[in-house]
Amino acid sequence: AQSVSQHNHHVILSEAASLELGCNYSYGGTVNLFWYVQYPGQHLQLLLKYFSGDPLVKGIKGFEAEFIKSKFSFNLRKPSVQWSDTAEYFCAVNSKNTGFQKLVFGTGTRLLVSP
Amino acid sequence: GAGVSQSPSNKVTEKGKDVELRCDPISGHTALYWYRQSLGQGLEFLIYFQGNSAPDKSGLPSDRFSAERTGGSVSTLTIQRTQQEDSAVYLCASSRSLAGGGETQYFGPGTRLLVL
Repeated sequence: AQSVSQHNHHVILSEAASLELGCNYSYGGTVNLFWYVQYPGQHLQLLLKYFSGDPLVKGIKGFEAEFIKSKFSFNLRKPSVQWSDTAEYFCAVNSKNTGFQKLVFGTGTRLLVSP
Repeated sequence: GAGVSQSPSNKVTEKGKDVELRCDPISGHTALYWYRQSLGQGLEFLIYFQGNSAPDKSGLPSDRFSAERTGGSVSTLTIQRTQQEDSAVYLCASSRSLAGGGETQYFGPGTRLLVL
């Protein structure tokens, strides 16, 4: 079955530390890739997405992600985290195989940034 | 502009009762999705509507679950004879029409359902 894996379930960092959250997917063929974030008490919102072009994607709040097709990966990075980055982060994929009709999400990574 | 809205915010019901959850998508968005987020799990796709096309119901977990979308706008997710395992946060999202799948889905705040 098609799936998305986020290997880190909980991450704790100090402010100014660098962040990398892993995301791997099992789809073949054409895919679109997304990172969503859910801040405490707020809706899910889009951080960034890849659907074509430059595999290095820049999103809001200094986040970026790199699509590496050969590794089926779309890892999220930020050079220097802030306390306000404390949130849950979800990687998601849709694919041409399923008509792009649904996002398949990973189980999420809870990030806690200590001041 | 207004985002996706959902009601109620919270719903507590007794096992065996029926519940209806409502979603108002962003105006002009033709695609509407329902997802479920259970404790300890990621978001699980339930159903997808696109314009006047037949919905994709492939994610509905059982025939107790149904959804409709009236007038291409508001959608209602109905769970009949609720079970305790139906307890979850039900999220609605909307997007502009699919064009290669790159359209962003905008999520509502969710309805937290607790079945006692």
